[in-house]
Amino acid sequence: GENVEQHPSTLSVQEGDSAVIKCTYSDSASNYFPWYKQELGKGPQLIIDIRSNVGEKKDQRIAVTLNKTAKHFSLHITETQPEDSAVYFCAATQDGRDDKIIFGKGTRLHILP
Amino acid sequence: KAGVTQTPRYLIKTRGQQVTLSCSPISGHRSVSWYQQTPGQGLQFLFEYFSETQRNKGNFPGRFSGRQFSNSRSEMNVSTLELGDSALYLCASRRAMNNEQFFGPGTRLTVL
Repeated sequence: GENVEQHPSTLSVQEGDSAVIKCTYSDSASNYFPWYKQELGKGPQLIIDIRSNVGEKKDQRIAVTLNKTAKHFSLHITETQPEDSAVYFCAATQDGRDDKIIFGKGTRLHILP
Repeated sequence: KAGVTQTPRYLIKTRGQQVTLSCSPISGHRSVSWYQQTPGQGLQFLFEYFSETQRNKGNFPGRFSGRQFSNSRSEMNVSTLELGDSALYLCASRRAMNNEQFFGPGTRLTVL
């Protein structure tokens, strides 16, 4: 079946440094790639997303890049802060088709003081 | 603006029982989707309802069912509970298709 691989599973970075999380997807029909942040006791929250007609998108300290040919997409967080500590999930799907959504297994990000 | 609410937040059941979980979407949102989150399988899509109709369904057995009411509130039901049904069940709502999904805090179901 279709799959999304996410690496690393755990990531520790010093406060102020950058963090990068990478995902690879298998379904060629995927055209929508959201990233979610999940804090303890809460549901996932969309932090940024990208569609397949765009190669890069940035929102303040967060950016996402997409290489559709290689089926790779990555999340970049710059100038990390303690409140960035959480679990991050990537996902790949077809726009408007929640039944096609495949999530990565998640990355637990620790921001070290 | 109130977010997505789910009740109850925690639930303990025994094998063979059935359970009903409730989700109230953000006001004005007509689409509600349900997900199961477990340490082993991660986040998996269960089903989606829009205007009281099931639009999409994930790859789960028929023991998992849902419905949506005219006020967009949704319920999901799991019958004949199994140990493997222990999970965090998340509900998400969106105003319309292709809009951002907003997740609720989830219902933690433990099956003993």
